[in-house]
This record gives sequence, structure tokens and C-alpha cells, in this order.
Amino acid sequence: ETGVTQTPRHLVMGMTNKKSLKCEQHLGHNAMYWYKQSAKKPLELMFVYNFKEQTENNSVPSRFSPECPNSSHLFLHLHTLQPEDSALYLCASSQELAGGTYNEQFFGPGTRLTVL
Amino acid sequence: AQSVTQLGSHVSVSEGALVLLRCNYSSSVPPYLFWYVQYPNQGLQLLLKYTTGATLVKGINGFEAEFKKSETSFHLTKPSAHMSDAAEYFCAVSARGGADGLTFGKGTHLIIQP
Repeated sequence: ETGVTQTPRHLVMGMTNKKSLKCEQHLGHNAMYWYKQSAKKPLELMFVYNFKEQTENNSVPSRFSPECPNSSHLFLHLHTLQPEDSALYLCASSQELAGGTYNEQFFGPGTRLTVL
Repeated sequence: AQSVTQLGSHVSVSEGALVLLRCNYSSSVPPYLFWYVQYPNQGLQLLLKYTTGATLVKGINGFEAEFKKSETSFHLTKPSAHMSDAAEYFCAVSARGGADGLTFGKGTHLIIQP
């Protein structure tokens, strides 16, 4: 595997289900991100992890719970979602450079989530 | 705080014609600017980026963009459109090259007419 992979690619779940999205980066990066892409809104940053520590939570509802067990893996745990949570969820990674800046973000193909 | 405005949710050009996709940004610190492309059912692919230095940056697939600080713009151009350029294009800004996440515009859907 190369780059950033996401599983599953498609997920349909009921509002009472619990599911998890998985992201894995094979680039040796130390920062990972979750974004939400829905039809009527711009791409929205949800969570940021730097060196496995969560550094940003963009006012995301608690029904979304991220987990970053190591710098290569990122999960998004889902429970009691609403139909408006249906969207494409994108994972990305990047690498810290000298001076505290980061290179560009590399994106996975996304998980298309439908909440019934 | 940062924001991005992309003018035109849809842009249509003829094959072989100039492509111009507009992006204006707002940033309280010197910005890092990016253009990404998204093909159907795929993630985002980086076209080009501006960090520091030369204000005219060249990217993949013949695209280039010019950073104009005075106009707070970072428009994307390609001299001659190809059918394979049909896709969604996103302009994004960040403060530290992406460490804190990217702020995206709403995207521009590029349509190529044969």
C-alpha cells in the first residue's frame, strides 16, 4: 500500500449503530487529519493530530470520536449519528518540516457515509 | 483566522482554451496557499502550492498559479484545457503549511466543452 488509505470506502449505517472509519498513512508523516465533505458546504476540518496528540477539535459533536493510536493510524468512531452526518469523510497526513512548518497534506480516497 | 473565496461554483471552457479559476484569501499571517483537484469518487490531489519565494508556481498537468499579495489572490491557470481536466478544484490556505489544518474554498467545478 502507498500513500493514504481509508477503509471502508462506503458505509451505510442506521442512527443507532456504532461504526468506525479507519485511515492509515504509509508516508512516515507525523500529523493526521479528519475532514468532512458534504454536498452543500466547503470541506470542513474536524480533527488534527500531531505526534499522536489531538491539537484541534473544530467544535465537532461528541457523536464523532477520534482515536490516534500511533502516527500511522487514525480512526473515527461513530455512534448515534444523524442523517445530516451523511458525507464523504476524508483523512489526510502531513510531515513537520524544519522551523515548525508542515509540508502539504496528502489525502486518502475518503469513506462515503450514508446515515439512514 | 483565515478564509478562502472561490469565484464561480462552475466554470465552463472549450477544449484548448485558457483555464482561469479564481481564488481570493484572507489571512492574518503570511499564508501558505494550495490548489487541490478532486476527480469523481476520489480524494484530493495536490496541484501546486505556494509557501515562500517565487510568486509564480508551477504544478502538475500544466497548471500554474500566481500569488499576488496586494490583491490577496492565488488564481489558477492553464493555457490550454484538456478533456481530462474536468474535475472539482479547491483552493486552500493555512498558517503553517497545514499543521493546523487547511481552510478550503467551496470549490469550482470545471467543465470542458468538446
